[in-house]
Amino acid sequence: GAGVSQSPSNKVTEKGKDVELRCDPISGHTALYWYRQSLGQGLEFLIYFQGNSAPDKSGLPSDRFSAERTGGSVSTLTIQRTQQEDSAVYLCASSLAVGGRNEQFFGPGTRLTVL
Amino acid sequence: AQSVTQLGSHVSVSEGALVLLRCNYSSSVPPYLFWYVQYPNQGLQLLLKYTSAATLVKGINGFEAEFKKSETSFHLTKPSAHMSDAAEYFCAVKRGQGAQKLVFGQGTRLTINP
Repeated sequence: GAGVSQSPSNKVTEKGKDVELRCDPISGHTALYWYRQSLGQGLEFLIYFQGNSAPDKSGLPSDRFSAERTGGSVSTLTIQRTQQEDSAVYLCASSLAVGGRNEQFFGPGTRLTVL
Repeated sequence: AQSVTQLGSHVSVSEGALVLLRCNYSSSVPPYLFWYVQYPNQGLQLLLKYTSAATLVKGINGFEAEFKKSETSFHLTKPSAHMSDAAEYFCAVKRGQGAQKLVFGQGTRLTINP
């Protein structure tokens, strides 16, 4: 079966523009996560969705960042008024169920460059 | 708060030599521990995970890790390095059954010398 897919693979934008990053999780996975990987901060959690529960947004760095998950499947991470410090690789992951022992499967990431 | 420390941002070994990548965690409760590998321009792939079933965990590609509670460590080893092992390795922790977020170490870049 297909793994987690993300699009676009690369995105170059100008400072101040809005961007949307898409994640398609593995079919049947109820949990979906967004992480950010940057040189200065390493890998950091952004947001987590589980079924119909309210998402855990505790990792979002500012109110310019938002995410939604439609129909319990596809997710979109939106960054408004992008800044140069937003340049990073944005990774999406999904897992079959909740619980500490459940493995998260990662997509290839979207490399965002803000000029 | 839990955290993960990986000792050594870069490790270099010769092909055929032992690989040892160090990971220490701090957690107030028994954690779930993971090692992920990232090849260039790819996402993260799970190597192995500790979920309290056994302290010595075997993973893919010949890697294994031992959970040592007394040392709060979960070091990754492989007896004989292969050129294809060159990648970045991340140790990560989740605290407890209800925890969902992975907290990652800073990563260790492994270089294999021919």
